[in-house]
Amino acid sequence: DAKTTQPPSMDCAEGRAANLPCNHSTISGNEYVYWYRQIHSQGPQYIIHGLKNNETNEMASLIITEDRKSSTLILPHATLRDTAVYYCIVRVAAGAQKLVFGQGTRLTINP
Amino acid sequence: NAGVTQTPKFRVLKTGQSMTLLCAQDMNHEYMYWYRQDPGMGLRLIHYSVGEGTTAKGEVPDGYNVSRLKKQNFLLGLESAAPSQTSVYFCASSYTNQPQHFGDGTRLSIL
Repeated sequence: DAKTTQPPSMDCAEGRAANLPCNHSTISGNEYVYWYRQIHSQGPQYIIHGLKNNETNEMASLIITEDRKSSTLILPHATLRDTAVYYCIVRVAAGAQKLVFGQGTRLTINP
Repeated sequence: NAGVTQTPKFRVLKTGQSMTLLCAQDMNHEYMYWYRQDPGMGLRLIHYSVGEGTTAKGEVPDGYNVSRLKKQNFLLGLESAAPSQTSVYFCASSYTNQPQHFGDGTRLSIL
């Protein structure tokens, strides 16, 4: 599985868009980019995933560069409840999803 | 809609004691997973199952055993607990090729 690199921490003002970057320069053609987050000590929560096209759902948008070597998770209007550790994971979609969690980005939303 | 339920939520053991952690899901998912999370780190996969009656080793399987006798349940056993197994344990489940749903964790301390 491709390795990902994320900044250890970020801050964002409440109401602003939070843009979380992820580098995955060794990604293979059949690997998807997944984003999960972990709020405080709860179980991780799935946010969004994509292969090569930009994706949007009710929680966030995912922008993947054309060469697929990096991506950005966008929380359009961050709230205090979005304070969490965000994990970018690269995996093939088929079979058992043996997720490999790095240390993620600790996002703090400030009032 | 319960989703993924883990039992117990907290437990304190003495070194050498045994115990079983129970994970139950009500979403008819084929795949189930056990992870552990140590302070300041991401989750690491212990064991997983791709269906009833099947199990496989993950990244850190030593000291643990698992069983999947029923599709909805995945048990994680510690035969002889060690202080190094003090951790937060998360269970997850998924359909084939779909994101994982996580439980709220079991916090286990071994003295």
